[in-house]
This record gives sequence, C-alpha cells and structure tokens, in this order.
Amino acid sequence: GALVYQYPRRTICKSGTSMRMECQAVGFQATSVAWYRQSPQKTFELIALSTVNSAIKYEQNFTQEKFPISHPNLSFSSMTVLNAYLEDRGLYLCGARKDSSAETLYFGSGTRLTVL
Amino acid sequence: QQKVQQSPESLSVPEGGMASLNCTSSDRNFQYFWWYRQHSGEGPKALMSIFSDGDKKEGRFTAHLNKASLHVSLHIRDSQPSDSALYFCAASETGGYKVVFGSGTRLLVSP
Repeated sequence: GALVYQYPRRTICKSGTSMRMECQAVGFQATSVAWYRQSPQKTFELIALSTVNSAIKYEQNFTQEKFPISHPNLSFSSMTVLNAYLEDRGLYLCGARKDSSAETLYFGSGTRLTVL
Repeated sequence: QQKVQQSPESLSVPEGGMASLNCTSSDRNFQYFWWYRQHSGEGPKALMSIFSDGDKKEGRFTAHLNKASLHVSLHIRDSQPSDSALYFCAASETGGYKVVFGSGTRLLVSP
C-alpha cells in the first residue's frame, strides 16, 4: 500500500525561529508532492506543489523565501518554515501522488506546529 | 469565495443509520472529485474517487457525481461509531495537479 510518513509529528518553536519537517513516501514513487497547511479551523491551504523535473509552484500568499521545499528524489521531500510566527501555526500535511496524472493524494499524519 | 463548498457543517446520525454529505463546486474546470476522511490526530485518508457521472459504490460508501450541476455526494449506510470523523470533499481540474479541499463536514455517529 501507499504510505506517507511525516516527521516530526509535533513541534514547538519560539517566535522568529525556524523548523524543518520531513515527508517520506514508502511503497511507491512520489512523482509529485503537495504541501498543505490545515488551520485550527480545519480548512486546507495549499502551500506548494513539487513535481519531479519541474519547478516547485507556490500558491499565492506562500513563498519560497518563507517555505523553502526540497524534493531531491522520488521518496523524500522536506519543507522548512522560516522565521515562524503565530499565524504559521497549524497542521502541515504532505500529500504524495504516484504519478503525474490526476490521481489520489496520499497524506501523512502531518506535523503540528505550535509557535510560542 | 471557496471553490468547493460542503454541507452540512455537522451531522449526527444514530448507529446503523444513513449519513448523507454534500459538496458543490463553483469551478466548471473541476473534473476529478474525491472524498477524504480525517480522524482526530491523523492526516486525511482518501475514501473514494469519482470522475464520471453517476454512482460509485465501495462497501457501505456510495458516491454520486453530477458534473452538469457540479454536485457530488457521499452516502454512508449502516453508519458505525468509527465513521465519526471529518469528511472533506476535494476537487481537481482535468489533468491538473492542484487539489482543492472543501471546508469539511463533521460526522458524529452515536451508539
């Protein structure tokens, strides 16, 4: 089956500091990875979409300067939240799909970010 | 305005009952639809995908899509307490990679 692991599950950082989160696809090759943030109100915001052999596409209100993403191979992606502030808190979800066609996204359990 | 709208916001059904969740898109470019379920403390898990008009049944779950009205529904028969969760409708454009999620329906199945 398609499994996606995210690490860490929870993290707390001080305002103005940065934290890195990781996403590992197990059992399949993740040709595309989507990073989302789920707010405390449970709504989803797409941060960026990373597809192998293509540039990472960031959504409006999200930038590479704030949320740099690395997608070095077909099983791993990481994202850093730089200079985190209160409005960055939430559950960061990594969704991976098996190929580049419109197919199901498989999500990890997320990294919950708390900013003090 | 959200491109994918769900109703109701919350729903309570007795164990063994039928739960019906609705989703409407405002973007005619959306051609692919999914239902995801998220239990507390977990990430969303795909329940069903539906890409063609009509019904799609998987066990106790039946999804219905009407592309003309951009409406997709999910029906859960013989609901179980373990079905209590947040349910999200998600949609994507033809051949597109971006998946847009609705705001969710919270389902509570009481024993």
